[in-house]
Amino acid sequence: NAGVMQNPRHLVRRRGQEARLRCSPMKGHSHVYWYRQLPEEGLKFMVYLQKENIIDESGMPKERFSAEFPKEGPSILRIQQVVRGDSAAYFCASSPGGQAWVEAFFGQGTRLTVV
Amino acid sequence: DAKTTQPNSMESNEEEPVHLPCNHSTISGTDYIHWYRQLPSQGPEYVIHGLTSNVNNRMASLAIAEDRKSSTLILHRATLRDAAVYYCILRDRRGGNEKLTFGTGTRLTIIP
Repeated sequence: NAGVMQNPRHLVRRRGQEARLRCSPMKGHSHVYWYRQLPEEGLKFMVYLQKENIIDESGMPKERFSAEFPKEGPSILRIQQVVRGDSAAYFCASSPGGQAWVEAFFGQGTRLTVV
Repeated sequence: DAKTTQPNSMESNEEEPVHLPCNHSTISGTDYIHWYRQLPSQGPEYVIHGLTSNVNNRMASLAIAEDRKSSTLILHRATLRDAAVYYCILRDRRGGNEKLTFGTGTRLTIIP
């Protein structure tokens, strides 16, 4: 059973380009969470999604950032018109959802560098 | 989510026990106490969780104060591979607020 898969592992974009980060949750998991980690800082929650629904986007910047988790395929975090301040590690986690889950599984992250 | 307070950093000698403290004085009766750790250049991984009673698993032990306002993660015999940032997180077991909210954690350094 493969874990949470994120790709690409490393992504370099020029200022103004778009970045697309992909996350495939663990098999059987229908809940996905995205976090951002700036260098030498902790993880900041961005968005929580279930299949086809955004449940909590309280941590998402109001502009340029969007996320989706379609019925088929991976969850996508999209950053439009990237700026240098977007350079960070972006982690995805998944869980089966519901009250009973106790362990969220994290991917290895995508390290975005904006040049 | 209720907040937790942890020391910024700790050091321990290899093969000795490590006690990582966490204060959560505003914990509610429905909050689980979770511990995750993040090894260098990796995503966080689950370590252990508990509600009221002390817990043991293959990775660590969790000691929870009787009033639940603090807890201690215990690594019984630290190895170099335990060097990581350890996060203490409260999560409401009633669900509805699914996300894990990370604080700054404790950076554990293991001295060979």
